[in-house]
Amino acid sequence: SQQGEEDPQALSIQEGENATMNCSYKTSINNLQWYRQNSGRGLVHLILIRSNEREKHSGRLRVTLDTSKKSSSLLITASRAADTASYFCATDRYGNNRLAFGKGNQVVVIP
Amino acid sequence: DVKVTQSSRYLVKRTGEKVFLECVQDMDHENMFWYRQDPGLGLRLIYFSYDVKMKEKGDIPEGYSVSREKKERFSLILESASTNQTSMYLCASSLWGGGRRADTQYFGPGTRLTVL
Repeated sequence: SQQGEEDPQALSIQEGENATMNCSYKTSINNLQWYRQNSGRGLVHLILIRSNEREKHSGRLRVTLDTSKKSSSLLITASRAADTASYFCATDRYGNNRLAFGKGNQVVVIP
Repeated sequence: DVKVTQSSRYLVKRTGEKVFLECVQDMDHENMFWYRQDPGLGLRLIYFSYDVKMKEKGDIPEGYSVSREKKERFSLILESASTNQTSMYLCASSLWGGGRRADTQYFGPGTRLTVL
């Protein structure tokens, strides 16, 4: 899982399988966001979950948030080769419109 | 459609040169950010700005300065480039969330800077 101090995690799966990645954080937050980065490109926002939400869906993405454990997970169902990317979680723990990013999870989907 | 553009995708400069990286957003966002991204270190915030002519230091401001003369443009300046500033530089913008809330950030495509 990512939490800023840990090394990035790597995941290699077959097309059609589900991919799950985790993120943990240390301080209270108002929201947690997930971003995707394709190789050599900028980050793209995927989903935002607020601290009073436990689960959120967007297409093939499912995000959960457990504020008691200070953790979140991102599930990509029925993965495709195009899902190959790095996935970052980010929290608003600074409280001044800054985001704190994790170090990312690299996902490789094999066709 | 939301758009953040950066002046160059690839840039090669010599040690000691003054380097300007430009970022423009067309979404009327209040906040703009400059990050650098290095393998194993993730995204590190250099500077951010929440209004014209306002700037705040991020986690690694040393060796950098910024300029925000217009709302849509945020420039990152390397006064005297050094080899340890070779990196991917990412610009982002967001609406003002108000108080503690941080809104979605929209990123540019990045500038890969090499300092020789």
